[in-house]
Amino acid sequence: DGGITQSPKYLFRKEGQNVTLSCEQNLNHDAMYWYRQDPGQGLRLIYYSQIVNDFQKGDIAEGYSVSREKKESFPLTVTSAQKNPTAFYLCASSIRLLDTEAFFGQGTRLTVV
Amino acid sequence: DAKTTQPPSMDCAEGRAANLPCNHSTISGNEYVYWYRQIHSQGPQYIIHGLKNNETNEMASLIITEDRKSSTLILPHATLRDTAVYYCIVRGYLYGGSQGNLIFGKGTKLSVKP
Repeated sequence: DGGITQSPKYLFRKEGQNVTLSCEQNLNHDAMYWYRQDPGQGLRLIYYSQIVNDFQKGDIAEGYSVSREKKESFPLTVTSAQKNPTAFYLCASSIRLLDTEAFFGQGTRLTVV
Repeated sequence: DAKTTQPPSMDCAEGRAANLPCNHSTISGNEYVYWYRQIHSQGPQYIIHGLKNNETNEMASLIITEDRKSSTLILPHATLRDTAVYYCIVRGYLYGGSQGNLIFGKGTKLSVKP
């Protein structure tokens, strides 16, 4: 089945530890995105990638890092520099950067204790 | 910041039409109106988009006013499964910076009741 997969669905980490969230897509999409969602809020863009080996900061990139070494994969690392890392993280992809429809994964809920 | 204004919540009876309004008074000529929805604890799902003409697909209809300053998403026969947060988004299609990125506001929480 074609789609976008995020894992794990729930993740717990201790404060001060870096953690990497996985995002894989087999839709052959060039563009991929990471969003953060806090309770009762909309989605905020963290990073996006137009193509392999390229990525750009979104609106709230501080404390996060990404890589795009393969077309199918766009992992997000939440570093210890992120002051409020507990949130719901959503990955998305689209055929091209400005394509009409973005496909979202089911999200990873990260809790830092 | 989101460029749209939506009511925070709405109720709709099952089987009736759900009409979700959105104001986007500062929309520019190169911006589309998009609608997504998010069922609780899931990723958002694309519904429909339009520029200035009304649009219809298997999920919904989108009515855009002639001045393009507002629009309405219509779910013709709402079911309990349509209970979700609905996001109205304006998005540019010109390449350049983050103009083309989807900016999600808080949306409208639609509750479909039996």
